[in-house]
Amino acid sequence: QQQVKQSPQSLIVQKGGISIINCAYENTAFDYFPWYQQFPGKGPALLIAIRPDVSEKKEGRFTISFNKSAKQFSLHIMDSQPGDSATYFCAASSNDYKLSFGAGTTVTVRA
Amino acid sequence: DAGVIQSPRHEVTEMGQEVTLRCKPISGHDYLFWYRQTMMRGLELLIYFNNNVPIDDSGMPEDRFSAKMPNASFSTLKIQPSEPRDSAVYFCASSRGQGAIHYGYTFGSGTRLTVV
Repeated sequence: QQQVKQSPQSLIVQKGGISIINCAYENTAFDYFPWYQQFPGKGPALLIAIRPDVSEKKEGRFTISFNKSAKQFSLHIMDSQPGDSATYFCAASSNDYKLSFGAGTTVTVRA
Repeated sequence: DAGVIQSPRHEVTEMGQEVTLRCKPISGHDYLFWYRQTMMRGLELLIYFNNNVPIDDSGMPEDRFSAKMPNASFSTLKIQPSEPRDSAVYFCASSRGQGAIHYGYTFGSGTRLTVV
């Protein structure tokens, strides 16, 4: 049973466009929400993370939006570039440091 | 820092054979996690250690799977006997924790296991 539900499964965006990936969770004990980026043949790499005491966090072209009442969070990739083509995973954990991952979203950026 | 080091990168074995996957975490990290990734089930946590002690092994699929962490710089995941359905990419990740502060995981490059 997946504790974090992620959508869409895949998306295609034009270069310069915005990619949006959504995640939802049920466990209110979750207090850490990271996003990971994975390229083929590599392990996932931490991209950006947020805590529930803020509603938004931005790092470069990547922004997490967090809605605590709806138990949802999303990743926005602004000005998408071909190098952003990868699989993105949302995740969540509580104070046990154990991450539960979403199913992943494959993003393809067309030049 | 060399990051999390896993070996081998690829392993092809016959059904019924023993398989041992190895992991060297980042120095100073006190948490170590073993994940399995498949198309069908995504990233599944198998087991994790804190200060070399297994904390939660509820994700280990069967008794055929076992994991050890004899010291802070080495962990193994063993499958015996292996079965074709064990074919997957196995990742090791390490992290450090400090109370309510999460520092995120650093993953290794994974071991792609194929059981024929």
